Amino acid sequence: NAGVTQTPKFRILKIGQSMTLQCAQDMNHNYMYWYRQDPGMGLKLIYYSVGAGITDKGEVPNGYNVSRSTTEDFPLRLELAAPSQTSVYFCASSYGQKDGYTFGSGTRLTVV
Amino acid sequence: AQSVTQPDIHITVSEGASLELRCNYSYGATPYLFWYVQSPGQGLQLLLKYFSGDTLVQGIKGFEAEFKRSQSSFNLRKPSVHWSDAAEYFCAVGKDNYGQNFVFGPGTRLSVLP
Repeated sequence: NAGVTQTPKFRILKIGQSMTLQCAQDMNHNYMYWYRQDPGMGLKLIYYSVGAGITDKGEVPNGYNVSRSTTEDFPLRLELAAPSQTSVYFCASSYGQKDGYTFGSGTRLTVV
Repeated sequence: AQSVTQPDIHITVSEGASLELRCNYSYGATPYLFWYVQSPGQGLQLLLKYFSGDTLVQGIKGFEAEFKRSQSSFNLRKPSVHWSDAAEYFCAVGKDNYGQNFVFGPGTRLSVLP
């Protein structure tokens, strides 16, 4: 049972480039989330999904997009990378809120 | 909107000593409360959770936490710390089944002296 798998683990982007962070879970969880983690700031919710075909904005959605075509996959798209998007990105999933989240191991992104 | 504070940015304890990490939340009703641990370069792992019932909850790795409504606190404790407990610890609070209303604290980094 792999849990939540994120790829890539590390990436360096130039300003203005685009990329997709991949996230897949094999636990048949309906809820999936994308967070970014900055030092001393905890985790900030970017986008979340309550099921295939349904997504919604979190606290810091600007500059990002998501899709949820299947239960398993929840990719995060950065269209025009900016230095402010330098961060560690975590994908998580849950069966329900009371169950807590299962997190991936993260993607460390640097925009230069 | 709910919020979470963790007053201690960094705590250092000796191996074998007891540990208490503080967490305070701001929310009108009884929220869902969680503690997560993050080892260097890893994702977060759920330690324990509370949403109703007994206010003292047991978690994995020998951790426990106590919900105190009067103090709006959910402090994490461990009677004897091991070197492998060195990590960052996050308190989180949620109030319903949607991630939009789920907030993480800034984290407390724990160092363990041999």
